Amino acid sequence: DAKTTQPTSMDCAEGRAANLPCNHSTISGNEYVYWYRQIHSQGPQYIIHGLKNNETNEMASLIITEDRKSSTLILPHATLRDTAVYYCIVSYTGFQKLVFGTGTRLLVSP
Amino acid sequence: DAGVTQSPTHLIKTRGQQVTLRCSPKSGHDTVSWYQQALGQGPQFIFQYYEEEERQRGNFPDRFSGHQFPNYSSELNVNALLLGDSALYLCASSLGGADYEQYFGPGTRLTVT
Repeated sequence: DAKTTQPTSMDCAEGRAANLPCNHSTISGNEYVYWYRQIHSQGPQYIIHGLKNNETNEMASLIITEDRKSSTLILPHATLRDTAVYYCIVSYTGFQKLVFGTGTRLLVSP
Repeated sequence: DAGVTQSPTHLIKTRGQQVTLRCSPKSGHDTVSWYQQALGQGPQFIFQYYEEEERQRGNFPDRFSGHQFPNYSSELNVNALLLGDSALYLCASSLGGADYEQYFGPGTRLTVT
């Protein structure tokens, strides 16, 4: 499983965009980039995934570099409820064995 | 539509005892994965069940075992509990080979004293 590297923590002002980076330089051609988040004392929650094209859903946008060695999760208008640990995971689809790192702790402040 | 449910919510056991945790997957899902999350760490994959068989396993000792029932619900059993087994145990369900995401339950907080 490809390893990912994320900053330990980040801060963001409420209403501003939160940009969370992730490095995955050893990603293989068939592996997807997934983002999950875990709000305190809850189970992880799926956010978005992508292979090589940029993706957007109701929660976030995912920007993957052309060489696929890094990506950025964008929360366009962060709210206090977005305070959580964000995990970037590289995985194949189907019968996934998610390998979580320590993630990025995002603190959104008023 | 009920999501993933786990029971019990909290559990306190003594070192050396055995424990069973339970998980009901999201409706329509046939695959259940179990994860252990120690305090301050990311979840660690224990094993995954599909069609009542253990399909893949993480780096956990044989003290950790599981079962999947015909209705796709699952149990995680841990024998000879150690203090280090204290953690949040998470169950996640998905749709087998077609999944793009896993749905996690709220977890069971196990404390071993």
